[in-house]
Amino acid sequence: AQSVSQHNHHVILSEAASLELGCNYSYGGTVNLFWYVQYPGQHLQLLLKYFSGDPLVKGIKGFEAEFIKSKFSFNLRKPSVQWSDTAEYFCALSRGGNKLTFGTGTQLKVEL
Amino acid sequence: SAVISQKPSRDICQRGTSLTIQCQVDSQVTMMFWYRQQPGQSLTLIATANQGSEATYESGFVIDKFPISRPNLTFSTLTVSNMSPEDSSIYLCSVETGTNEQFFGPGTRLTVL
Repeated sequence: AQSVSQHNHHVILSEAASLELGCNYSYGGTVNLFWYVQYPGQHLQLLLKYFSGDPLVKGIKGFEAEFIKSKFSFNLRKPSVQWSDTAEYFCALSRGGNKLTFGTGTQLKVEL
Repeated sequence: SAVISQKPSRDICQRGTSLTIQCQVDSQVTMMFWYRQQPGQSLTLIATANQGSEATYESGFVIDKFPISRPNLTFSTLTVSNMSPEDSSIYLCSVETGTNEQFFGPGTRLTVL
């Protein structure tokens, strides 16, 4: 069975710092990869996705992620975080179907 | 995208009782799913709600405990039966709109005493 690992459970950054959240998965076949974000008190929402093609994908609010197949990774990055990026971030995968397998999430706190 | 609502948004229930959670979507969708997020843990898929047929349950989840209905393409219910404190979780409905993307509802926060 597939699995998703997020190694950073809690991250604290100052505004304008750069962000990179790790995501690794275990599955040898084709995968679709996603990053979801949950802002305090809000719905879980899609940040970005990778299905195929260019391994560097850009999402909303200046986020991007790079799919590195050889490393089974899909790390999330943002060059300069803002206080409003404080949220919980989830990496997820699907195996070409609809079922999503989620990582355990990373709680990001951005301090002013 | 899709706009999804869930009722109730939260509830506190007694052990041994059952709670039915409703999920309503603003458009017709083929795929609807139910997830559980236990305290401090990630989201786990409970089942796929199939319109016109029995739901498809993931390993570790059974119909007797989590009966699901899907009477049409915009509505589904999940019942948490014979509840125990271990069922205290956030229950989320999601839909897939044909683009391999899933959109999530606001969740139902359940506390079982």
